Amino acid sequence: QVLLVESGGGVAQPGGSLRLSCVPSGFSFRNYGMHWVRQAPGKGLEWLAFIRFDGSKEFYADSVKDRLNISRDNSKNTLYLQMNWLQSEDTAVYYCARDGGTGAFDFWGQGTLVTVSS
Amino acid sequence: EIVLTQSPATLSLSPGERASLSCRASQPVSGYLAWYQQKPGQAPRLLIFDASKRATGIPARFSGSGSRTDFALTISSVEPEDFAVYYCQQRALWPITFGQGTRLEIK
Repeated sequence: QVLLVESGGGVAQPGGSLRLSCVPSGFSFRNYGMHWVRQAPGKGLEWLAFIRFDGSKEFYADSVKDRLNISRDNSKNTLYLQMNWLQSEDTAVYYCARDGGTGAFDFWGQGTLVTVSS
Repeated sequence: EIVLTQSPATLSLSPGERASLSCRASQPVSGYLAWYQQKPGQAPRLLIFDASKRATGIPARFSGSGSRTDFALTISSVEPEDFAVYYCQQRALWPITFGQGTRLEIK
């Protein structure tokens, strides 16, 4: 079955950096575009970034485009999210999600919690 | 960016009742709208994509409708496991955006 497992979350200081990873299984990763979505405590869903199946194009939310970088290594079967200049507002659960080919997110990981605090 | 406005914010119903959730877009999104269900402590689950197509394994009591700017998610007869938060999402234009959610609670 399709599984997505995020890792790399934890506590970071304001101004610091973190790199999140997402490792998929149960499908051919190299054939699918992938997204990152986050959810602050008690809040709704916020889309962050998308990368095409071959890594040739990326799209970002305006609110994070200067601080986040999405990438993938199809040879390592891994999706990444590099987060720089972290702020308290970045405290959230971060999900990776597969794009089912329709622009909808058909499978989601369980998320990894990022807490930005001094 | 396209703003999605969901209503009502909270819907209180009893099991067996019909649920109607609304999602209105600030500009046309054609049929590129999806719906998700999220329960506490869980990741969202895709219910509907392209406005009206049920995702794999989703029960027939869930249906989606609408076009351009006005969309609806209907649960024909709410089951106890359906009480959750529901989000709509558009992919017509970048950036992708979500609605703020509708909470379906037990009356």
